[in-house]
Amino acid sequence: QVQLVQSGAEVKKPGSSVKVSCTASGGTFSDHGLSWVRQAPGHGFEWMGRIISMFITTNYAQRFQGRVTITADESTSTAYMEFNSLRSEDTAVYYCARERIVGATLVGYFDSWGQGTLVTVSS
Amino acid sequence: DIQMTQSPSSLSASVGDRVTISCRASQNIGTYLNWYQQKPGKAPKLLIYGASSLESGVPSRFSGSGSGTDFTLTISSLQPEDFATYHCQQNYRTPMYTFGQGTKLEIK
Repeated sequence: QVQLVQSGAEVKKPGSSVKVSCTASGGTFSDHGLSWVRQAPGHGFEWMGRIISMFITTNYAQRFQGRVTITADESTSTAYMEFNSLRSEDTAVYYCARERIVGATLVGYFDSWGQGTLVTVSS
Repeated sequence: DIQMTQSPSSLSASVGDRVTISCRASQNIGTYLNWYQQKPGKAPKLLIYGASSLESGVPSRFSGSGSGTDFTLTISSLQPEDFATYHCQQNYRTPMYTFGQGTKLEIK
């Protein structure tokens, strides 16, 4: 079973950017979807976007479009999520999650998750 | 976006109890509904996919049911390790996935 290991906690000022990494070990995500999901304090999970490396395809939730960029480096089995123009309400734990593939089809649920990265936005 | 609403938001129960958690979708999503378990400080774990299919390695005391807009996660006999927060997620509208707000299951 693949393990996803994320980079450490970050503290950022409003208006700045953050880049969080997610490295796969014991497997790969290149032929899967790799999504980023966040959980703000007291809230449920919120899907932000995903990358399908094999097809060099990205999809983003409309509310984050223009502020988030997801990339991947297959040589290191690492995905990145860069989030710009940070606001205090972006304070959350950010998770990467691998979307299962069955045959050649992404099935829309997540069978491996990273441990989460706390991003705190505060002046 | 498809809105997912879980009830209750929190629940107290005892070891050995039968527990049900509900999830309602704002539109018909067929059986495109998944359940996750999350323990404090840990990554979520997939329990149920396709509304009723048990993920490999998940104990059989967990089961899921429902279709359309109303879904249920049932734990037949609560064990100490089951006290956690449970989340539902729709994958009907790919890839614009949405989650419920979570149900926290606590020890009575």
